[in-house]
Amino acid sequence: DSGVTQTPKHLITATGQRVTLRCSPRSGDLSVYWYQQSLDQGLQFLIQYYNGEERAKGNILERFSAQQFPDLHSELNLSSLELGDSALYFCASSPSGQGGYEQYFGPGTRLTVT
Amino acid sequence: DQQVKQNSPSLSVQEGRISILNCDYTNSMFDYFLWYKKYPAEGPTFLISISSIKDKNEDGRFTVFLNKSAKHLSLHIVPSQPGDSAVYFCAASGRSGGGADGLTFGKGTHLIIQP
Repeated sequence: DSGVTQTPKHLITATGQRVTLRCSPRSGDLSVYWYQQSLDQGLQFLIQYYNGEERAKGNILERFSAQQFPDLHSELNLSSLELGDSALYFCASSPSGQGGYEQYFGPGTRLTVT
Repeated sequence: DQQVKQNSPSLSVQEGRISILNCDYTNSMFDYFLWYKKYPAEGPTFLISISSIKDKNEDGRFTVFLNKSAKHLSLHIVPSQPGDSAVYFCAASGRSGGGADGLTFGKGTHLIIQP
């Protein structure tokens, strides 16, 4: 158990809809990272928040957005969903806002868009 | 363009022997490297890491070697145990500009430990 929690575990929705994925980091960690794992692209970094502020962006689509709240939990919002958005979404946390530290991953949310 | 490459999709090793998983990278700005292990339906689990100022790091049965000139790292597991059967991901990050970076992952190697 990494100490990172994610809800829900599974989500099935239709094209065009909007969903919100939730992540709680390990106690004491200030950074939250979001990753997408799809069959063809592997694990890809989407976005990072550090202590409530956006810190780094990866391959995140404009239809996707995230935020980190004062209690440090984070939400990833996916809108205008397409079939290709079906994937596993992982959240990770680390104590620092900089690279050079290991990241601890949650169990993931499996999103299926039909 | 894959910046982190794991060229072996799968590897089969006998129990008790050494498992060697390889990883190559192309981005010379990477300066911190990590290995993760992943079981189906679970998130990646951190195993071991190495900074670019070192060429070796050891933790129990796991040793990571870094060859900066070749842009190559490897993970050695010795002795291999049945519970080591999983997908192993190599990942890299850079401290370019002092900012934060997400991890760049390879596509993974499926390690199978044969009894």
